[in-house]
Amino acid sequence: GESVGLHLPTLSVQEGDNSIINCAYSNSASDYFIWYKQESGKGPQFIIDIRSNMDKRQGQRVTVLLNKTVKHLSLQIAATQPGDSAVYFCAAKLSGGYNKLIFGAGTRLAVHP
Amino acid sequence: GAVVSQHPSRVICKSGTSVKIECRSLDFQATTMFWYRQFPKQSLMLMATSNEGSKATYEQGVEKDKFLINHASLTLSTLTVTSAHPEDSSFYICSAPTGEGEKLFFGSGTQLSVL
Repeated sequence: GESVGLHLPTLSVQEGDNSIINCAYSNSASDYFIWYKQESGKGPQFIIDIRSNMDKRQGQRVTVLLNKTVKHLSLQIAATQPGDSAVYFCAAKLSGGYNKLIFGAGTRLAVHP
Repeated sequence: GAVVSQHPSRVICKSGTSVKIECRSLDFQATTMFWYRQFPKQSLMLMATSNEGSKATYEQGVEKDKFLINHASLTLSTLTVTSAHPEDSSFYICSAPTGEGEKLFFGSGTQLSVL
């Protein structure tokens, strides 16, 4: 079955540094991936998504990289700010699985001044 | 942008009572909505898929008689936790596809505390 996991449960960075959050998935049939940000007591907030026919996608200060060979994706946040402190989840959708997302364990990002 | 509204944001109830949580799509129609459950410091676990006009689809291990789902209209899905017990205390979150590809937007969540 599908499982999505993260390499590190917590990540501490200095304000202004770049952050990289990693995620591994197990099912090669996954064709769509999303990164969400969740602040305490709130619902997940969409950050960026990528389809399996792409290997890179950029947004504002964020970049998602997808390596299908090793079933790995990462979220890069440039010039990390205190407001970026939150838990970040990757989620994967199986091909044909209508919008049914499987979430990874989450990485807590702590940004220090 | 698309908004998913969830209500209430927090509820405290006595053991044995039932609690209803509402999930509304405010500016779009959703034939499908998803209900997730999240324990502290854990990830989101999909409980069920709510289908407008038909029965919900439950994930393995989720009791359908315990967690009643009704998708009465294209903008409203409800989750009722029946005969709640302390172990049902959790953060419940709904989501809906907006039609922008496969992107899901989430509600703000409901923190349920059963005493």
